[in-house]
Amino acid sequence: DIVMTQSPFSLAVSEGEMVTINCKSSQSLLSSGNQKNYLAWYQQKPGQSPKLLIYYASTRQSGVPDRFIGSGSGTDFTLTISDVQAEDLADYYCLQHYSYPNTFGAGTKLELK
Amino acid sequence: QVQLKESGPGLVQPSQTLSLTCTVSGFSLTSYNVHWVRQPPGKGLEWMGRMRYNGDTSYNSALKSRLSISRDTSKNQVFLKMNSLQTDDTGTYYCTRAHMALDYWGQGVMVTVSS
Repeated sequence: DIVMTQSPFSLAVSEGEMVTINCKSSQSLLSSGNQKNYLAWYQQKPGQSPKLLIYYASTRQSGVPDRFIGSGSGTDFTLTISDVQAEDLADYYCLQHYSYPNTFGAGTKLELK
Repeated sequence: QVQLKESGPGLVQPSQTLSLTCTVSGFSLTSYNVHWVRQPPGKGLEWMGRMRYNGDTSYNSALKSRLSISRDTSKNQVFLKMNSLQTDDTGTYYCTRAHMALDYWGQGVMVTVSS
């Protein structure tokens, strides 16, 4: 099984700051067939279902603000949130869907400083 | 529009079997995969398994011996059955559609394993 190591566990930020969340996979998530990385990022607010932010490592889902930026390839991936807003305070998870079983990172809690 | 909705018992006794139903609308089960994901209270997301558009299934290695996913395409439903439930199976269970990634999610159903 592919292991997803996500860091940090939690992050305290002020509004307007930039934050980065990292995910490292134990195997490459890059498909040689289509050159896409099968890595997605999710946001989950308390009491809500996860919301897809980014897929294929860097493609923003429709309606997601452009302050959410996904980057990386192979085994190392980053979610950057520029100009953090109060509404961004949530838990964030990475997901590899390159192979089965799919696996999630442990999550990062974004809190207000 | 695309919707998924989980249903099932809120309380299950230890050692019993959990049966959940995911009813979908706005897309066809013969065109998209549907996955199950769970989340213990206050903890992270765990991928459980998936029903492929062609009827194939894949499971989390740790749950494989207890888990079964099936479907009824005529009713637009995907089913999850997991036996030998223990207290650490308590949590919210989600079904979710796969397109690019897991794009649409149900609201989740809370399952408590307790006597």
